[in-house]
Amino acid sequence: KQEVTQIPAALSVPEGENLVLNCSFTDSAIYNLQWFRQDPGKGLTSLLLIQSSQREQTSGRLNASLDKSSGRSTLYIAASQPGDSATYLCPIGGYNKLIFGAGTRLAVHP
Amino acid sequence: DADVTQTPRNRITKTGKRIMLECSQTKGHDRMYWYRQDPGLGLRLIYYSFDVKDINKGEISDGYSVSRQAQAKFSLSLESAIPNQTALYFCATSDVGTGVRDEQFFGPGTRLTVL
Repeated sequence: KQEVTQIPAALSVPEGENLVLNCSFTDSAIYNLQWFRQDPGKGLTSLLLIQSSQREQTSGRLNASLDKSSGRSTLYIAASQPGDSATYLCPIGGYNKLIFGAGTRLAVHP
Repeated sequence: DADVTQTPRNRITKTGKRIMLECSQTKGHDRMYWYRQDPGLGLRLIYYSFDVKDINKGEISDGYSVSRQAQAKFSLSLESAIPNQTALYFCATSDVGTGVRDEQFFGPGTRLTVL
């Protein structure tokens, strides 16, 4: 059974810091991995999608990597800003659904 | 305008009432999903539909039913609401025909409280 774990559960950093969010999964047979951000009480905003055949994707200050063999993905955020404060989710794409972990709650303080 | 919309956005109801949550999408996607999110937990799949004639149970379908009225509309019903169904409910869509397999797009969520 696929399980997704995100460490740390919460993170607080000063503005401007580069940071890495970690995501691990137990079954390497995945279709894709999608990073989302969720603002409190709000919906999910897609940040990056990595197909199973890819190793990384970049969008602006964000870079996501995927290593299926080790069951890991990382989201790198460069020069963090207070607007980056949110919960970050990294669900694994299986055949018919996304499998979610509990997320990492990020706070970037001025 | 939002591509995936949900109504209502907030709902408070009482135990035993029947509730319907609605989802509409303008993305032209065939696949639609319903998830629920509980505080401190990840989203969990309730039901999914790959087309109008295809409905499938997810991991937590007990106490819920769905209807796919059209490609663009997917409704979730709680036949007799109970307090532990208090949660944030999300609708999502995806399309395997675009070359970006199964990228999912989420609605804004419906916050349901059952008293």
